[in-house]
Amino acid sequence: EVQLLESGGGLGQPGGSLRLSCAASGFTFSSDAMSWVRQAPGKGLEWVSAISGSGGGTYYADSVKGRFTVSRDNSKNTLYLQMNSLRDEDTAVYYCARDQRGDIYGDFDYWGQGTLVTVSS
Amino acid sequence: EIVMTQSPATLSVSPGERATLSCRASQSVSSNLAWYQQKPGQAPRLLIYGASTRATGTPASFSGSGSGTEFTLTISSLQSEDFAVYYCQQYLNWPLTFGQGTKVEIK
Repeated sequence: EVQLLESGGGLGQPGGSLRLSCAASGFTFSSDAMSWVRQAPGKGLEWVSAISGSGGGTYYADSVKGRFTVSRDNSKNTLYLQMNSLRDEDTAVYYCARDQRGDIYGDFDYWGQGTLVTVSS
Repeated sequence: EIVMTQSPATLSVSPGERATLSCRASQSVSSNLAWYQQKPGQAPRLLIYGASTRATGTPASFSGSGSGTEFTLTISSLQSEDFAVYYCQQYLNWPLTFGQGTKVEIK
């Protein structure tokens, strides 16, 4: 059974940093591209970042480019999102999601339950 | 950036009735279009990809159609578990973009 479990959310200071993790199980993690998608309270879905199965390809939304870094450790079956220079507008539930066809296509068949990031002083 | 626009924002439907949700792309996305269902407090769930292919576990009551810039998600007979928010998403170009969602509520 495919499982994705996010962690690392919490309260972050404006200008501060947080690192999110997504532990994956039930599939060959290194074969599948992964993404982070966020949802601000009461709002819609916003794609944040994607990474290929090997980790060699990464993509970012303009809203986080230069501040967030996506990475993965295939030996640990874990996806990461390093969030720096946090802003109020980064407050959201962050989901990790799996690309259903392996390579980076952008349609997601499995999602974690999300981790809440709150940016506030 | 491709802008995805969904209509209506809210759809009030009686159980057993048909629901038709629309999604429009600001430029052609061919068939690179997915639909997701999200219930309160839950993660989104993939329903349709490739504009019209049902994902594993999606009931046959859900169907997707369209290509280019105009897409439709149809729920043929609404069940209680179908009342939720539905999002379309294009995956032709970066950045990936979602519509703002259509809430299907009980009439």
